[in-house]
Amino acid sequence: AQSVTQLGSHVSVSEGALVLLRCNYSSSVPPYLFWYVQYPNQGLQLLLKYTTGATLVKGINGFEAEFKKSETSFHLTKPSAHMSDAAEYFCAVMRAGTASKLTFGTGTRLQVTL
Amino acid sequence: DAGVIQSPRHEVTEMGQEVTLRCKPISGHNSLFWYRQTMMRGLELLIYFNNNVPIDDSGMPEDRFSAKMPNASFSTLKIQPSEPRDSAVYFCASRAEDNEQFFGPGTRLTVL
Repeated sequence: AQSVTQLGSHVSVSEGALVLLRCNYSSSVPPYLFWYVQYPNQGLQLLLKYTTGATLVKGINGFEAEFKKSETSFHLTKPSAHMSDAAEYFCAVMRAGTASKLTFGTGTRLQVTL
Repeated sequence: DAGVIQSPRHEVTEMGQEVTLRCKPISGHNSLFWYRQTMMRGLELLIYFNNNVPIDDSGMPEDRFSAKMPNASFSTLKIQPSEPRDSAVYFCASRAEDNEQFFGPGTRLTVL
């Protein structure tokens, strides 16, 4: 079974500051890992994903995440926050295989202040 | 591509009424997922299909909920009878072989 823990349901940063959203996972097999973003009144949009290969993955809008197997983590970062980054962010894990489902974390709401 | 299409976008109904939510996945995608999102419970997977066959419906709350996928381009989620606690945003998502799920815009359901 897979599970995801997102530390911090709310994170607030100043515009221009580093964004760090934490995600730890549990999986009995090598996982596929995802970060999704949800803007108000919209569906979820994929930011980035890790399946195999390079452990540092880059996504849209300047976000990146690093898969650290030893720490079972997949933290999301962005060097400089922008007001438009204010949204809810979901980490998700999936067992490899086309019939598998995503297991989502509870989400982290990012607030960006001036 | 138009993406995942859901209808209606908003539904307001009275308790006891039947509600049908509709989803058209992205063409060529072979998996389809129904989620429910509320403030209290977050994002919950209700059911998912692979090649039109239900794979896991363990998230369906109770017998009042049912989902069908009669063909690769259409799915419905039905609630009968509806109750106020069913009020939520319902998302449909579809996925191709590369494992990325694409979400629809959601249907906001309000049961009075």
